[in-house]
Amino acid sequence: GDQVEQSPSALSLHEGTGSALRCNFTTTMRAVQWFRKNSRGSLINLFYLASGTKENGRLKSAFDSKERYSTLHIRDAQLEDSGTYFCAAEGFLLSGSFNKLTFGAGTRLAVCP
Amino acid sequence: EAAVTQSPRNKVAVTGGKVTLSCNQTNNHNNMYWYRQDTGHGLRLIHYSYGAGSTEKGDIPDGYKASRPSQENFSLILELATPSQTSVYFCASGDGWGEDTQYFGPGTRLLVL
Repeated sequence: GDQVEQSPSALSLHEGTGSALRCNFTTTMRAVQWFRKNSRGSLINLFYLASGTKENGRLKSAFDSKERYSTLHIRDAQLEDSGTYFCAAEGFLLSGSFNKLTFGAGTRLAVCP
Repeated sequence: EAAVTQSPRNKVAVTGGKVTLSCNQTNNHNNMYWYRQDTGHGLRLIHYSYGAGSTEKGDIPDGYKASRPSQENFSLILELATPSQTSVYFCASGDGWGEDTQYFGPGTRLLVL
């Protein structure tokens, strides 16, 4: 079935620095969502992209369906950015309105002072 | 603001017991989903629903049943709980059209002894 490979599995950043998370897809995907799991365990929606890039504050995401990848860039990292980040890819539908998400394994981000 | 709630938030069950996890959404979304999250696997889809009265099998449905009695409510039922079903369970809703972001509940931690 569809697979999503997310990297890195863990990442440590100093405050004020940045980095990028990446998800590679084994098949062509229709869209991608990025989530952050906060300290309480809740999943927070970050981005939904069907193409191109989106930016929100210090976060920027890109999705290239043809090249089968998506990235999430974090700049000027803050302590509250710590958590586990997941990408989830949406496959093309043959029929119906169901958008199945296939999740990556997650990236554990720790932001240190 | 989209709202998906889950109950209970934490549950301890015994092997062979029956467990029902409940999910309620006030988004008036047609689609609802149940996932479980385990370390190294991201989230995996158990069951989903297109609307009231509809339940469909996801990727890992064995050992689980689902019930969608209304647009707002979607339950996940473990008739005979096993320790392998110890996990964190997430419910989500989405409208299934266009930019179909899925909105997640806060999660339920289930421990089966």
